[in-house]
Amino acid sequence: GQNIDQPTEMTATEGAIVQINCTYQTSGFNGLFWYQQHAGEAPTFLSYNVLDGLEEKGRFSSFLSRSKGYSYLLLKELQMKDSASYLCAVNTGFQKLVFGTGTRLLVSP
Amino acid sequence: KAGVTQTPRYLIKTRGQQVTLSCSPISGHRSVSWYQQTPGQGLQFLFEYFSETQRNKGNFPGRFSGRQFSNSRSEMNVSTLELGDSALYLCASSPRPGTGGNEQYFGPGTRLTVT
Repeated sequence: GQNIDQPTEMTATEGAIVQINCTYQTSGFNGLFWYQQHAGEAPTFLSYNVLDGLEEKGRFSSFLSRSKGYSYLLLKELQMKDSASYLCAVNTGFQKLVFGTGTRLLVSP
Repeated sequence: KAGVTQTPRYLIKTRGQQVTLSCSPISGHRSVSWYQQTPGQGLQFLFEYFSETQRNKGNFPGRFSGRQFSNSRSEMNVSTLELGDSALYLCASSPRPGTGGNEQYFGPGTRLTVT
């Protein structure tokens, strides 16, 4: 079966750092993606990990441990516009992405 | 470069009807995937097409079908609509098939309401 778990909701303060965790158990692994989705909009690509370790992209970083079936997305210097849902997705092959249900992040002033 | 476009953006149908949704990928992208998004189930994979061939299919009933044309545009069809088919249908395109690092670019979606 396919199982991807993320916390449902998180809250943080502007300027802070937040870590969104994702654990997965999938039949097939061809990389892990993080997407951001604002309410009423399409998901937009944030990051991709296929090897273990940390990938950094500006204020956003993503980490992967394949042996533990674990990833996290780290958001630094939070801004109000970062309030959105963050989706963890595993590519199980041939562009088939299996998504978690998403973590809704609320950033308050 | 224009993004992924989907038409129509909103649609209201009644139970038992059928519906066709359209997706135009980013120019040069040859892989098109379809997803259904509902509040309860999140984003679920429907199918993926490359070079007019369906390469992968999710766990949806046969009422859900799709196709891809030679210009990479894709359509999906849902027959005998049920109330539970109400959802946001998202199309995503990517330039190369099957390679893991290939992020998918999503269109704005078609919001389907079945009454």
